[in-house]
Amino acid sequence: GAVVSQHPSRVICKSGTSVKIECRSLDFQATTMFWYRQFPKQSLMLMATSNEGSKATYEQGVEKDKFLINHASLTLSTLTVTSAHPEDSSFYICSATTGGPNEKLFFGSGTQLSVL
Amino acid sequence: GQNIDQPTEMTATEGAIVQINCTYQTSGFNGLFWYQQHAGEAPTFLSYNVLDGLEEKGRFSSFLSRSKGYSYLLLKELQMKDSASYLCAVRGDSNYQLIWGAGTKLIIKP
Repeated sequence: GAVVSQHPSRVICKSGTSVKIECRSLDFQATTMFWYRQFPKQSLMLMATSNEGSKATYEQGVEKDKFLINHASLTLSTLTVTSAHPEDSSFYICSATTGGPNEKLFFGSGTQLSVL
Repeated sequence: GQNIDQPTEMTATEGAIVQINCTYQTSGFNGLFWYQQHAGEAPTFLSYNVLDGLEEKGRFSSFLSRSKGYSYLLLKELQMKDSASYLCAVRGDSNYQLIWGAGTKLIIKP
């Protein structure tokens, strides 16, 4: 089946630094990728929709200058958390859609970000 | 507004059957997904329903009634490893974005 690889799985950083998270579709081309964050015991919250070759579409309340998304190719999207603060600590998950008539979403394994 | 409701927590016994319900009110409907999520991990895809009826896949089955805005996930022959959160998600107006329920935490007891 389709595989989405997400790295790193866990990162601990100091407040004020930037962190980049990569999301790759390994065996299919993903024209659209999604970035979610999930706080403990809460539902997934969509942050932005990333389309290859164009600017990402951010959900209301998500700062585009803080969460930089780059979808440079059909298999790679990156999320950069700039000037991270402790309140940015969360579980970040990417997903990619296979497209086509039997379209499915597949998820990366997630990245646990802890900002000290 | 758009809303998806599912029970917060359920408990069942190993070897038994459990049904997790999901009701939704969305502007538009283009399919309903069920995902399984173990603690600290990303969700994994279980099922997709776009037409009314029951979809069976091994020990897991998913049912959809579009007229009632209702779905359920049926888990048979429960195993301890089935202890997880089960997320219901609906694709509404957009072809790509999903509206997520808060998830049902399923606890399996021996």
